[in-house]
Amino acid sequence: NAGVMQNPRHLVRRRGQEARLRCSPMKGHSHVYWYRQLPEEGLKFMVYLQKENIIDESGMPKERFSAEFPKEGPSILRIQQVVRGDSAAYFCASSPSSETQYFGPGTRLLVL
Amino acid sequence: QKEVEQDPGPLSVPEGAIVSLNCTYSNSAFQYFMWYRQYSRKGPELLMYTYSSGNKEDGRFTAQVDKSSKYISLFIRDSQPSDSATYLCAMCARSGNTPLVFGKGTRLSVIA
Repeated sequence: NAGVMQNPRHLVRRRGQEARLRCSPMKGHSHVYWYRQLPEEGLKFMVYLQKENIIDESGMPKERFSAEFPKEGPSILRIQQVVRGDSAAYFCASSPSSETQYFGPGTRLLVL
Repeated sequence: QKEVEQDPGPLSVPEGAIVSLNCTYSNSAFQYFMWYRQYSRKGPELLMYTYSSGNKEDGRFTAQVDKSSKYISLFIRDSQPSDSATYLCAMCARSGNTPLVFGKGTRLSVIA
């Protein structure tokens, strides 16, 4: 049973470009969470999705960030017009119907 | 006051030592507690999960929860160099799928 998969593992963008981060949950998991980890900081919740629905986006910045989890395919975290402050590790976690969350390897975004 | 406080360390111990890692929290609604291990440049790995006050043991790891003091601990017995990692405490308020609130993590080095 493959774990949570994220790609790309590393992403370099120039200021103003768009970043798309993909997450495929573990088989049988229909709940996906996105977290951001800044240097020397803990993980901060961004958004929680189920298939085709955003359940909780209280941690998402109001502008430039969006997320989706379509019926078919991976969950996507999209960052438009990236700025240097968006440089961070972005982690996806998936869960069955429980409190336990299983994390992917992360995508490290560097904005030049 | 942050919701979850965790001493960032770094903590350096000799091989074979007993390690104690701790978190305090301010939100009395937190009921479910986890410990994650994160190796450098990797995703967090779930180590322990507990929801009741008291101790839970799994091999060399013991998770302890004291809800009256809002204090949780992770003990590692017979520590090994392979235990060198950052340890993150995480917690949430209700059962089922819900975002986790993380501590900043404690960096542990076990010296052979």
